[in-house]
Formats: sequence, C-alpha cells, structure tokens
Amino acid sequence: KQEVTQIPAALSVPEGENLVLNCSFTDSAIYNLQWFRQDPGKGLTSLLLIQSSQREQTSGRLNASLDKSSGRSTLYIAASQPGDSATYLCAVLILTGGGNKLTFGTGTQLKVEL
Amino acid sequence: DTGVSQNPRHKITKRGQNVTFRCDPISEHNRLYWYRQTLGQGPEFLTYFQNEAQLEKSRLLSDRFSAERPKGSFSTLEIQRTEQGDSAMYLCASSQTSGGPTDTQYFGPGTRLTVL
Repeated sequence: KQEVTQIPAALSVPEGENLVLNCSFTDSAIYNLQWFRQDPGKGLTSLLLIQSSQREQTSGRLNASLDKSSGRSTLYIAASQPGDSATYLCAVLILTGGGNKLTFGTGTQLKVEL
Repeated sequence: DTGVSQNPRHKITKRGQNVTFRCDPISEHNRLYWYRQTLGQGPEFLTYFQNEAQLEKSRLLSDRFSAERPKGSFSTLEIQRTEQGDSAMYLCASSQTSGGPTDTQYFGPGTRLTVL
C-alpha cells in the first residue's frame, strides 16, 4: 500500500526566507507527483506536477524536485510571503484498474510571518 | 463555468439522517473523483467515474455510501444513516483523459459535513 509522508507537519518562518518542504513515498511505481496548496476550509489548488520521468518543475518562486528511486520530493519556496501561508499537500498518482487515483500526504501547514 | 463546483458548501445534519452532495465538473471532463478529508489529514480517495461508469470504489466507501453520475456530467454522493464519523470535507475533482495516466485533477471547493 502506498504511503505518503510529509515533514515537517508545521512550519513558521519570517517573510523573505527561502524554505523547503519534504515529501516521501513508499512505492516508487508512481506516474507523477503533484504539489497542492489548500487554504483553510477550501479546496485544493494544483501548484506543480512532475512526471515520473522528470526531475523537477518550476513555476515562479516554486521549484519541485522528484527523486523517484529514493521515493522523495521537495518543494522549494523562494522569498516567502505572508500570502504563501497555507497547507501544502503532496500527492502521488498511481494507476488502478485502468483509472488513476491520488494518494495524499497529511500536509505541511506553513505560516509566513511579517 | 471555469471550475469544479460543489453544493452545498456546508451541511449540518443529525445522526441517522440521509444527506446528498452534488458535484459539477469542468465541462467536457470525462473523469470525476470523490475524496474525503478529515481534519488534519490529506484527502483520501473514495470513488472514481469515467463518463457514467463507476470504475473503482475504495473500501472506505461503506454500503451506506452511494455515488452516481447518471449522464456522465454531474455526480451525486449520498450518505445514508449518517454517523458522527462521517463528519469531514468531501472533495470532488475532475480531469480530462489525454490517453494516459497523467491528466491533472482539478478540485472543487468541497462540501463540509458536520454530523451532530
């Protein structure tokens, strides 16, 4: 059974700091990995998707890396801002009987302080 | 329509009552997913449709839960005889298959269920 773990569970940083969120998964037979953002009481917003054949993806101040063989991914946020405060979830996509489903980690709750 | 919509956004019910949630996917998306998220946890897969066919159900989906997508467009998730343990955020997502497993899932805002 695929298990996804995120460390740390919570993180508080001052504005402007660069930070790294970690995600690990137990079964390397994934097709892709996604990082999502979730604001309190809201749905999920997809930030970055990395195909299993890729090593990293970048979008603005965000950079996600994937080491499939070791079952690890990181999300790097540069020059953090208070608006980045949210819960960040990673999820891996596996095939199931012709379809697909996402298996999520428990998230990292980020707070960026002024 | 620019995104996945879910109704209602919040539902409070008494234990033992039935509830039904609706999800409207992005137009022309042929895949629709239901997930459940409890406080402090990541979403967990419940079930998945391709067009009107329900292709997989998680063991989390007990016999009190039923999901439909009758015309391959919107979907409903019904919970019968609700229990306090059913209290959670129910998330819907949709995607458009591109012939491979890499289609991005777009999530709705969720329906928060509270069972008293």
